[in-house]
Amino acid sequence: DAGVIQSPRHEVTEMGQEVTLRCKPISGHNSLFWYRQTMMRGLELLIYFNNNVPIDDSGMPEDRFSAKMPNASFSTLKIQPSEPRDSAVYFCASSRRSLHLNSGNTIYFGEGSWLTVV
Amino acid sequence: DAKTTQPPSMDCAEGRAANLPCNHSTISGNEYVYWYRQIHSQGPQYIIHGLKNNETNEMASLIITEDRKSSTLILPHATLRDTAVYYCIVRVADSWGKLQFGAGTQVVVTP
Repeated sequence: DAGVIQSPRHEVTEMGQEVTLRCKPISGHNSLFWYRQTMMRGLELLIYFNNNVPIDDSGMPEDRFSAKMPNASFSTLKIQPSEPRDSAVYFCASSRRSLHLNSGNTIYFGEGSWLTVV
Repeated sequence: DAKTTQPPSMDCAEGRAANLPCNHSTISGNEYVYWYRQIHSQGPQYIIHGLKNNETNEMASLIITEDRKSSTLILPHATLRDTAVYYCIVRVADSWGKLQFGAGTQVVVTP
């Protein structure tokens, strides 16, 4: 089975430019998460969706960040305008929220998008 | 979700068992214990999870104490490829699924 697919894997952009990161969750999964990882702050949850609806965006750093999930198989995380402090690895993850609690709702991660803003 | 405490680092000899401790003294009755690991430059990888019974899969074993206030992840025969940061996380299974990561334990497997 294909895992969570993210693109681009690496991006270098200039400060002020718009950055769009893309994610395709695992087929059949109904929850999607965006995380950011830096050396200073570790892994941080930015936002997550359930059935394409944003549930909690309290981790989104500021208005320059936005995320959408137009359908069950695609999500974007956009940064506009980008700043050097946005340089990080951005992970997308997905899970299938089950009514059976003993399934644990395991979350699976993509390989990340490495963003450098210069 | 309950907070966890893990040692910042530990070493393990290749071929030996690695025992990774985790304290979660404030865990609630409906919270699961999850273990993930992150190998350098890769996304976090699910290892195992459990509620109160010990669990085993092809990657590892999870031992949860009877009072559920601590657990141990066991890698039975560590290899160099097991060098990674290991995260112990507790969360309610039905809490819309989000995971909150701490600092984890940096495990280095040496030849």
